[in-house]
Parts: sequence; structure tokens; C-alpha cells
Amino acid sequence: GESVGLHLPTLSVQEGDNSIINCAYSNSASDYFIWYKQESGKGPQFIIDIRSNMDKRQGQRVTVLLNKTVKHLSLQIAATQPGDSAVYFCAENNAGGGNKLTFGTGTQLKVEL
Amino acid sequence: AAGVIQSPRHLIKEKRETATLKCYPIPRHDTVYWYQQGPGQDPQFLISFYEKMQSDKGSIPDRFSAQQFSDYHSELNMSSLELGDSALYFCASSYGSLQETQYFGPGTRLLVL
Repeated sequence: GESVGLHLPTLSVQEGDNSIINCAYSNSASDYFIWYKQESGKGPQFIIDIRSNMDKRQGQRVTVLLNKTVKHLSLQIAATQPGDSAVYFCAENNAGGGNKLTFGTGTQLKVEL
Repeated sequence: AAGVIQSPRHLIKEKRETATLKCYPIPRHDTVYWYQQGPGQDPQFLISFYEKMQSDKGSIPDRFSAQQFSDYHSELNMSSLELGDSALYFCASSYGSLQETQYFGPGTRLLVL
């Protein structure tokens, strides 16, 4: 079903540490997953995506891990910087269900100096 | 690089009034999506268009309608506005409609009084 966040979980990390943001999805038919970063008052910004035929994908300072067995997705941010402070959303799509994205509950990442 | 353009950025309306939100996709993108985001919530899919035809429909109220024009820009028309329609409205665009990266615009903040 759809996931709607009523309040945002928060992750606080020290600058320079690695961050891990987790996401559980509910639709076992979902086969495309995306992480977005949203700063206050701005639109979601694409970070990285992964398809269900992969279990890991790396970008610049970010890694996404997909565990289809337990329907779990994670975003790892290396050497977290103050500019990484934002709300992070995972989103899923099922090719057989149209082109809409279903967003999970966001996680507020706070980077402490 | 050119991004998705949305106008207006802010809009204040009274109950029962109408509003029109506009979206200009990234050049060469042929698919547009509309999402609604309430305070502290995740974006919820409303509707999408591919090559000027409706391609998917989500939780869009009957009071809302949308279309995509020959230049690929899209408009979301909202009538009989209610207090609960106050939200951020995002447009996203992609090249192709099936599991292609959706790039979001800055959003229109609608306040219904």
C-alpha cells in the first residue's frame, strides 16, 4: 500500500562520519527504486537509483543497497557533509503498475559540526 | 543544465476559488508527472502524461484536471478549492515514461484560506 509519513524520523551524524538511511518498501512487485534528497522548500533532487536485477549500486559518495528478500533499501553516504542535511526519501515503482512513484516516509538527516 | 520550471511559485486562494498551476518540463522530456506534498508528508502521485496523453492516474480529486500541451508543458487545474488542498505541488519530467528518472521542479506552494 501507500506509505504516508506523519512525522519524520531523524538521523543525526557528525560531519565526516558515514550515514546510513534505511527504507522498507511494501510492494513485492516493485522493481525500480530511487533515492531523493529534499531540502526545505525545494523539490526532491535525484540522488541514485537501482533496478531489481541489482543489489548494489555506487555513485559519488553514495551507495544504494537493495535486499529484495526482506524488501529493504538503504542509502549510504560517505564522509557526510553539512550540505547533506536534508530529508531523504526512497521511492519505488512497479513497471506493471504504471509510471507513478510511491514514496516512503522521509528521514531527516542532520549533520552536526 | 535546464531544470523543470513551475509557475507560480506561490499562490494564495480563497475557498471555492480555482487555481491553475503550470509546469514546463526539461527540454526534450516528453513525460510530466504531478505530485502533491502536504506538510511533513511524502509526495503523493496525482497524474501523469506521456506524449500529451494521460498515462497514469493516482489520488487526484475529481475537482482537479490536468493536460499536457503540444509543447509538452502541462497545467493542473484545481476548482472548488478546499482548505485541505493547501500543499506543495510538484511537477516532474522524464524522457520516456517507463521507469525513467523523474526530475522534479521547485514546486508551487498553494495556500487556501
